[in-house]
Amino acid sequence: DQQVKQNSPSLSVQEGRISILNCDYTNSMFDYFLWYKKYPAEGPTFLISISSIKDKNEDGRFTVFLNKSAKHLSLHIVPSQPGDSAVYFCAARRNNAGNMLTFGGGTRLMVKP
Amino acid sequence: KAGVTQTPRYLIKTRGQQVTLSCSPISGHRSVSWYQQTPGQGLQFLFEYFSETQRNKGNFPGRFSGRQFSNSRSEMNVSTLELGDSALYLCASSPTSWPTDTQYFGPGTRLTVL
Repeated sequence: DQQVKQNSPSLSVQEGRISILNCDYTNSMFDYFLWYKKYPAEGPTFLISISSIKDKNEDGRFTVFLNKSAKHLSLHIVPSQPGDSAVYFCAARRNNAGNMLTFGGGTRLMVKP
Repeated sequence: KAGVTQTPRYLIKTRGQQVTLSCSPISGHRSVSWYQQTPGQGLQFLFEYFSETQRNKGNFPGRFSGRQFSNSRSEMNVSTLELGDSALYLCASSPTSWPTDTQYFGPGTRLTVL
């Protein structure tokens, strides 16, 4: 039972355009969401997070949107850069579950120069 | 600050053997979590240790175990290895177990079981 899903295994965008990565979840007990970026042969790197009491959080070129009623979150990268090419994972944390993260399957983003 | 370090980086074992992986968290971090990444199952939570106590455990068989030492360093052990245990094992540390704490991941240990 996949509680966190990233339905697009890959996404290709042109440099300078917007990248939108999507994530859906099923467990209503999740109250904190995170996005990680992963390059080959490296561990995931934290990008941005959002609490369930908010619907938007921005950090530079990265913005995460949360739609609780739809159990959907998205990561926007504007403008996209070739160095953003990596696999992006969304992750969710349940209330009172410490640091246990449930990850989606990942989306490979390719930003073309 | 130095990041999360994991040793060894690569390991080859045969079925039936056991293996121990090590993780040194970022200095001052007291929570260490372990994850398994495979092509089929993705990134899955194994367990979390905080102040030498296991706080959470994922849905893995008892062959997977771990511990944390007083200096917050952690080890995980897999006994009676199976082919399906071939994976990238990632360790993550955070200052505490507070929900808004960011987890920082190490580079992982690539385990191959033959």
